Amino acid sequence: QSALTQPASVSGSPGQSITISCTGTSSDVGGYNYVSWYQQHPGKAPKLMIYHVSYRPSGVSNRFSGSKSGSTASLTISGLQAEDEADYYCSSYTSISTYVFGTGTKVTVL
Amino acid sequence: QVQLQLWGAGLLKPSETLSLTCAVYGGSFSNHYWTWIRQPPGKGLEWIGEINHSGNTNYNPSLKSRLTISVDTSKNQFSLKLSSVTAADTAMFYCARVGEQLWSFDYWGQGILVTVSS
Repeated sequence: QSALTQPASVSGSPGQSITISCTGTSSDVGGYNYVSWYQQHPGKAPKLMIYHVSYRPSGVSNRFSGSKSGSTASLTISGLQAEDEADYYCSSYTSISTYVFGTGTKVTVL
Repeated sequence: QVQLQLWGAGLLKPSETLSLTCAVYGGSFSNHYWTWIRQPPGKGLEWIGEINHSGNTNYNPSLKSRLTISVDTSKNQFSLKLSSVTAADTAMFYCARVGEQLWSFDYWGQGILVTVSS
């Protein structure tokens, strides 16, 4: 199974909105609404930010939102804050009952 | 509150078997799948495999031939064994819970760095 494709880096100024894409195939992202997004700060374990494409776990800021069109999912961070600077990974359930992660995106707050 | 605590050998020689165990505290053990994920230094996340309380497993096809994941429901623990390791297996290893009906990883252990070096 190949990793889902994400941009290596995305940047924005405080207060701006940014969007991270996650492109897969009909066997993963395109075939299921089981896309999730994770935030990882340096030296820390990843944290679940979005599940089922667009649902936020309790405690996650509503500045984080998710969507999907075809085989591409997206994570949008609005009102960008310094604390949002981190690595972000998407993940999808697959047709062979496994999971696959994205290549990861480094978000920089300018 | 759910907590996952993992342990195991942090330094291995090539061809040895990597062995890690993850203990789960809090929450329901039987209602979830439990998973292993790794991250080579400076690189992205890779899903390794998962197991439920009945011992049903799903493995990453690229690791399947070297991989065994097992469960001990009496201790609320699950374990990972990866045989014939090489330097390419050097990574931070995480255990995590698959959220019930979430198909995503909602609780993570702290991670353990496993280094393979001669």
